Amino acid sequence: DAGITQSPRHKVTETGTPVTLRCHQTENHRYMYWYRQDPGHGLRLIHYSYGVKDTDKGEVSDGYSVSRSKTEDFLLTLESATSSQTSVYFCAISERGGAGMNTEAFFGQGTRLTVV
Amino acid sequence: RKEVEQDPGPFNVPEGATVAFNCTYSNSASQSFFWYRQDCRKEPKLLMSVYSSGNEDGRFTAQLNRASQYISLLIRDSKLSDSATYLCVVNPYPLDTGRRALTFGSGTRLQVQP
Repeated sequence: DAGITQSPRHKVTETGTPVTLRCHQTENHRYMYWYRQDPGHGLRLIHYSYGVKDTDKGEVSDGYSVSRSKTEDFLLTLESATSSQTSVYFCAISERGGAGMNTEAFFGQGTRLTVV
Repeated sequence: RKEVEQDPGPFNVPEGATVAFNCTYSNSASQSFFWYRQDCRKEPKLLMSVYSSGNEDGRFTAQLNRASQYISLLIRDSKLSDSATYLCVVNPYPLDTGRRALTFGSGTRLQVQP
């Protein structure tokens, strides 16, 4: 299995508090992603990174920020948590394949976040 | 219209049956295609990549139809252990365009019954 670790694995937090989720990889892959998964919506991309300090928004980025100061770490911050951000969050990594394509993604085990 | 669409199912099939899923994608410039499997409350895991020439791995066959913009997954001789959600994944652009990353369908749930 690819070396991806998410922390924490479970968290309960109160509305209005900031929350940071961490994704750590030991594969030296260039690309890192944060997805959220909700019933009926599948996996939706929040933010992704294509290199150290290079990030871009996904389809559901409002209320989230990210940082990548090192290749191995990608942090997701909920600036002021809301109940609508209760979800399962997955981090993923991938590498660049031939002709500029990215290869398959490997996922962390997920973080279950509950905002009360 | 969603970028990647799948029938959510569930598909309930008996052991030994052959079952097929389709997935449509909206961006004709899409480059890479994959099928992932996700078990309940677990992370998605790669099942197989989908190549232009098709791809077969044991009981699983994946096909790509660029003209109609869909990919398919065929499972032969279904096993109880095949029960899971199958996710269609598309990369709309090469990542060095800085445009987008892997886009997932909502998944198709398969339940294989004894």
